[in-house]
Amino acid sequence: NAGVTQTPKFQVLKTGQSMTLQCAQDMNHNSMYWYRQDPGMGLRLIYYSASEGTTDKGEVPNGYNVSRLNKREFSLRLESAAPSQTSVYFCASSDQGGGMNTEAFFGQGTRLTVV
Amino acid sequence: DAKTTQPNSMESNEEEPVHLPCNHSTISGTDYIHWYRQLPSQGPEYVIHGLTSNVNNRMASLAIAEDRKSSTLILHRATLRDAAVYYCILRSGGSNYKLTFGKGTLLTVNP
Repeated sequence: NAGVTQTPKFQVLKTGQSMTLQCAQDMNHNSMYWYRQDPGMGLRLIYYSASEGTTDKGEVPNGYNVSRLNKREFSLRLESAAPSQTSVYFCASSDQGGGMNTEAFFGQGTRLTVV
Repeated sequence: DAKTTQPNSMESNEEEPVHLPCNHSTISGTDYIHWYRQLPSQGPEYVIHGLTSNVNNRMASLAIAEDRKSSTLILHRATLRDAAVYYCILRSGGSNYKLTFGKGTLLTVNP
């Protein structure tokens, strides 16, 4: 089972460059999420998509844009990378709650360094 | 979002039980209690969740206080592979599935 797949796994960018982090899930989940994790910290929510066609800001959305391309794919774009965006980025997916409150599945992360 | 409080770190010996506490005094009636863990250099993985009653699964047990203001994750026999950061998270029972992570508890397991 592939689960949640993130590409690339590692990336080095120069300040001001742009890039898109890709995320795909094969579990037919409605909801998808992007988090960042800085050293020694917990995960912080950047953006999420409760269902196909909708996206909402999380705690730290500045400097990022997202696209829910279809039910499977949710991409995160850095238009003009800054050193403060050096972090590990995690994508996750889950079924919507609706009282059932199911688990979320996470990808292995993308380690991004902006120099 | 209601907040949780966990110790920064805990230590255990291999083969012994581990009790990881979490305080969530502002929990609302519709909040579920979720636990995730993050092994080194990996993404978080689901451990267990519950609403009011104690829960057991193959990984762990979750004991929830009667007033729901605290909970304890129980690993019955710690192994070296259980060394990880454990996150206690409150999640609304509505349709919006947001997970808000704190800093978690770093569990060290000694051989």
